[in-house]
Amino acid sequence: RKEVEQDPGPFNVPEGATVAFNCTYSNSASQSFFWYRQDCRKEPKLLMSVYSSGNEDGRFTAQLNRASQYISLLIRDSKLSDSATYLCVVKSSGTSYGKLTFGQGTILTVHP
Amino acid sequence: DAGVIQSPRHEVTEMGQEVTLRCKPISGHDYLFWYRQTMMRGLELLIYFNNNVPIDDSGMPEDRFSAKMPNASFSTLKIQPSEPRDSAVYFCASSLTYRGNQPQHFGDGTRLSIL
Repeated sequence: RKEVEQDPGPFNVPEGATVAFNCTYSNSASQSFFWYRQDCRKEPKLLMSVYSSGNEDGRFTAQLNRASQYISLLIRDSKLSDSATYLCVVKSSGTSYGKLTFGQGTILTVHP
Repeated sequence: DAGVIQSPRHEVTEMGQEVTLRCKPISGHDYLFWYRQTMMRGLELLIYFNNNVPIDDSGMPEDRFSAKMPNASFSTLKIQPSEPRDSAVYFCASSLTYRGNQPQHFGDGTRLSIL
């Protein structure tokens, strides 16, 4: 089983749609969680951190369920510019303190 | 502000040749990471440094790969000899005080093709 697993995607949605991505992680000792965004042939960039209480940044909402080891990202009112690959990222603890493990990514295409 | 700077942006070389990738982290960042990204395996951490010291190199695929950080502003990832399966995008990233939710800042990557 992979350490971080994401929805296989790809997702193709019209502008204005709401879309949700899911992610599960296997290491219960994981301590921090993030969503990164990667545009085609570009580097990954931090989209938002994910907090236990859930957090929102404009049209983006992230949720964490530690008991189920589950993370989600909700995008409301999708824009064409939201088209990208979304990477679920988990930071572990233990002997390799702070290692980031990336999911395979979910491709989102928003069309007119 | 200057971000993480990697060079070269693209590298095409024949198998068996030595390849050296370079990275300049963001000034003041004390953590530096080398990643490899392929379609099959996604983004994988190869090695990371704290204050120029390698902390975890468990992701380095084999002895053909080596990484150094001689000072706070420069790191290299070397592949010798290179093989076609090493073809990938190699990213360098840096972070300030790798605790909490400090983000990693990635460079533009080096697209490596081994023929």
